[in-house]
Amino acid sequence: GQQVMQIPQYQHVQEGEDFTTYCNSSTTLSNIQWYKQRPGGHPVFLIQLVKSGEVKKQKRLTFQFGEAKKNSSLHITATQTTDVGTYFCAGLFGNEKLTFGTGTRLTIIP
Amino acid sequence: DVKVTQSSRYLVKRTGEKVFLECVQDMDHENMFWYRQDPGLGLRLIYFSYDVKMKEKGDIPEGYSVSREKKERFSLILESASTNQTSMYLCASTGHNGTGNYEQYFGPGTRLTVT
Repeated sequence: GQQVMQIPQYQHVQEGEDFTTYCNSSTTLSNIQWYKQRPGGHPVFLIQLVKSGEVKKQKRLTFQFGEAKKNSSLHITATQTTDVGTYFCAGLFGNEKLTFGTGTRLTIIP
Repeated sequence: DVKVTQSSRYLVKRTGEKVFLECVQDMDHENMFWYRQDPGLGLRLIYFSYDVKMKEKGDIPEGYSVSREKKERFSLILESASTNQTSMYLCASTGHNGTGNYEQYFGPGTRLTVT
């Protein structure tokens, strides 16, 4: 079946360091979405990328969609304690069913 | 604001019991989804529905069934609960969010423990 692989599974960074999580699909995606889940909370939509090579920014967060539309990354610059949580990518393979990655759990060391 | 609500935040059931998890959304969304979330496995799709009385199997439908009698309500049913169904269950509905994005809105989740 269609799968979206996400790495790393866990990431521990010092406050102020950068953080990156990566998603890969073996087949071309229609679009990719990113969600954040705070501890004890539910996933909340962050952004959607649709175009090949697209780059979007939200303050300290930078999202990229690969040229082949098979991979994506989320980069956080200068992490803060409010960035703690699990970040999920979710790929759309042409229908309306999203396939979620396994998530990257980010913890911040003060 | 879109609201997706789930009937319980925490639920404890015994092995063999029939379990109903209810989900309601107030945005007139056509598409609704049930996921389970387990450590290291992310979100896995159990069932989804594109319309009333319509259902499609997701990636892990075994041991589950669903019901969509009304557009706003999507129920997940565990016919005979087993301990390996202990998990966090998340309901979601999808719609366009006004900025051209097609977004999933999640409910708060139900943490089910089967003993």
